[in-house]
Amino acid sequence: AQTVTQSQPEMSVQEAETVTLSCTYDTSESDYYLFWYKQPPSRQMILVIRQEAYKQQNATENRFSVNFQKAAKSFSLKISDSQLGDAAMYFCAARALSGTYKYIFGTGTRLKVLA
Amino acid sequence: DVKVTQSSRYLVKRTGEKVFLECVQDMDHENMFWYRQDPGLGLRLIYFSYDVKMKEKGDIPEGYSVSREKKERFSLILESASTNQTSMYLCASSLEGVMNTEAFFGQGTRLTVV
Repeated sequence: AQTVTQSQPEMSVQEAETVTLSCTYDTSESDYYLFWYKQPPSRQMILVIRQEAYKQQNATENRFSVNFQKAAKSFSLKISDSQLGDAAMYFCAARALSGTYKYIFGTGTRLKVLA
Repeated sequence: DVKVTQSSRYLVKRTGEKVFLECVQDMDHENMFWYRQDPGLGLRLIYFSYDVKMKEKGDIPEGYSVSREKKERFSLILESASTNQTSMYLCASSLEGVMNTEAFFGQGTRLTVV
């Protein structure tokens, strides 16, 4: 079974500063994908960034990057130059590469961006 | 753009009613999912379907059933709604296979059972 844990229910960051959201996971799968999703107050969940577990290089998407530590089963999200539009719920998720393709989500971190 | 559309944004139903939540996707995705979102609990999988007429239970299937008669449509059914089923319900879809792994979500249905 897979589990995903987000230990920070809420985080705050000053506009233009950098913030890191934490995520740990547990899986017996040898290959899997990891994701960060963003859910703004309008509620449509969108993908922020994804990481293939077999790739050692950390994924980056503009101001968003991950720190993927496979041995530690850690997958944190770093948001640089935070903007007011980054305020949202952020969910970490995992999905096996084979078998059933269900996505397992963490409990979420609410990010507040202070002007 | 992939579009996942849920039939209602807000619903209010009475205890004991049979409730249908509908979800339609327009990108020919094989996989479809129903999640329930509650504060502090994140997204919990209710049911998912990997093909027409195929379904598997997720982590919290009790009190729910699903129907997938056509590839693009996945319905969640609350056989007899109860107040503890008041929640946000999210539908998602994704492609089969190891590529294009992203799940796409609908806008959510906020269900209140009174």
